[in-house]
Formats: sequence, structure tokens, C-alpha cells
Amino acid sequence: KQEVTQIPAALSVPEGENLVLNCSFTDSAIYNLQWFRQDPGKGLTSLLLIQSSQREQTSGRLNASLDKSSGRSTLYIAASQPGDSATYLCAVNGAGNKLTFGGGTRVLVKP
Amino acid sequence: NAGVTQTPKFRVLKTGQSMTLLCAQDMNHEYMYWYRQDPGMGLRLIHYSVGEGTTAKGEVPDGYNVSRLKKQNFLLGLESAAPSQTSVYFCASGRDTDTQYFGPGTRLTVL
Repeated sequence: KQEVTQIPAALSVPEGENLVLNCSFTDSAIYNLQWFRQDPGKGLTSLLLIQSSQREQTSGRLNASLDKSSGRSTLYIAASQPGDSATYLCAVNGAGNKLTFGGGTRVLVKP
Repeated sequence: NAGVTQTPKFRVLKTGQSMTLLCAQDMNHEYMYWYRQDPGMGLRLIHYSVGEGTTAKGEVPDGYNVSRLKKQNFLLGLESAAPSQTSVYFCASGRDTDTQYFGPGTRLTVL
């Protein structure tokens, strides 16, 4: 059974610092890995999707890497802003096209 | 496009009552999903559908039923609500192994 872990569970940084969010998964047989953002009381917004054949994906200040063999992905957010405060979730798309989610990392960027 | 919409946004039930949550998508997606999100448990897949007229069980299907009579709609039913079903319910849709798009969620409280 696929298990996805996100460490740390919470993170607080001053504005301007780079954010590094980690995600690990136990089964490397995946189609892709997605990173989502969730604001309090809201739904999930897709940030990046990395196919299993890719090593990284970039969108603006966001960069996500994937090392399938070691079961790890990292989301980097450059030059953090208070508006980046949210919970970030990673999800692995495996057998049957079903997502398995990590528990999320709650990020607070202090002005 | 409205994307993925969910009805209702909030609901309070008494133990033993029944209700149906409606999910609608206007992106012509084949795949649709129902998740629940609980503190400390992350998002877990309840049921999903790979096309009109099909349904399948996810990780936590007990106490729920689903139907996909039309491609754009996916219904989640609770026949006899229990306090353990107090949660936030999210619907999502997608194409094959592509990004999943999430609705805004339904907050359900069972007393």
C-alpha cells in the first residue's frame, strides 16, 4: 500500500527566505506526482504535476523535483511572500489512477 | 467554465439521517472522485468513477454509496449518517492520469 509522508508538518519562515518542502513515498511505481496548495476553508489548487519520467518541473517561483528511485520529491518556493502562507500537499498518482495524499505541510511566511 | 462545483457547501445532520452530496463538472472529464479530509488523516479516497455508469471503491468506502448516471455528475450518498462521517468532503475530476481538479468542498457535521 502506498504511503506518502510530508515533513515537516509545519514551517515558519521570514519573508524573502526560500521554502523547501519535502515529500516521500514508499512505492516507486507511480504515474506522476502532484503538488497542491490549500488555503484555510478552501479546496485544493494544483501547483505542479511531475510525470514519472521527469526529474523536475518549474512554474514561476516554484520548482519541484522528483527522484522516483528513492521515493522523494521536493517543492522549492523562491523568495517567499506572506501570500505563500497555506498548506501544501503532495499526492502520488499510482495504480488505478488514484491519488494518495501526504498529510501536508502548513507554511507561515512572516512579513 | 465553472470547473468543479459541489452542493451543498455546508450541512448539519442528525445521526441516522440520510443525504446526498452532488458534484458537477463541466470539463468533460471521464474520471471523478470523492475524498474526505479529516484533521491528522489527510485526504482519503472514498469512491471514484472512470466513466459514466461506472463506480469503484476507494480507501474508505464503508457507509457511503455513489452513482454516476451522467458523465458530468457524481453523487455521494450517506444512507444513515454517523458522527464518524463528520468531515469535509471534496469532489475532483480529471482526464486519465492528468491533473485532478478539485471542488470547493462540503462541510458536513453529524450530531
